[in-house]
Amino acid sequence: RKEVEQDPGPFNVPEGATVAFNCTYSNSASQSFFWYRQDCRKEPKLLMSVYSSGNEDGRFTAQLNRASQYISLLIRDSKLSDSATYLCVVNKDTGRRALTFGSGTRLQVQP
Amino acid sequence: EADIYQTPRYLVIGTGKKITLECSQTMGHDKMYWYQQDPGMELHLIHYSYGVNSTEKGDLSSESTVSRIRTEHFPLTLESARPSHTSQYLCASSINTGNTIYFGEGSWLTVV
Repeated sequence: RKEVEQDPGPFNVPEGATVAFNCTYSNSASQSFFWYRQDCRKEPKLLMSVYSSGNEDGRFTAQLNRASQYISLLIRDSKLSDSATYLCVVNKDTGRRALTFGSGTRLQVQP
Repeated sequence: EADIYQTPRYLVIGTGKKITLECSQTMGHDKMYWYQQDPGMELHLIHYSYGVNSTEKGDLSSESTVSRIRTEHFPLTLESARPSHTSQYLCASSINTGNTIYFGEGSWLTVV
């Protein structure tokens, strides 16, 4: 089983739609959680960190469910510019290893 | 914007050649990483470093080697390039392992 699993998509949604992605992680000791965005042939960039109590940044809302070991990303009022691959990122502990990246969920927002 | 730089951005090279991909960051981060990513595929960690004179192999086996003589510099070397090494190589850094990772723009390597 992969440490971090995501539905690869693609999710094809019309502009203005609300779309949600889930990501599951296997290690219950995981401490830090992030969503990154990656545009085609570009480097990943931090979209938002995910906090235990959930957090919101404009149209984006992230949630963490430790009991079920998943994190979610909700995008409201989708824009064409939201089209990208969204990577779920988890750090299993505060030790020496790097973050583990999911394989990403592709979102295509259509006019 | 992250202050992490990679050169060259694009490189086409013949089989058997030695190449070094450069990576520098000006953020004073101790942790640095190299990821490999084929187009449309997932990121794979190939090397990481906790600090000067510290390097370790990542999750994906790679024939490349790295060095960390200075905090800001983390070059990756392929002694003898092969077509199977064709990929995008992304350098990244962070303050600590649980913190945000910042990526460079990547180096696209094509071995012919």
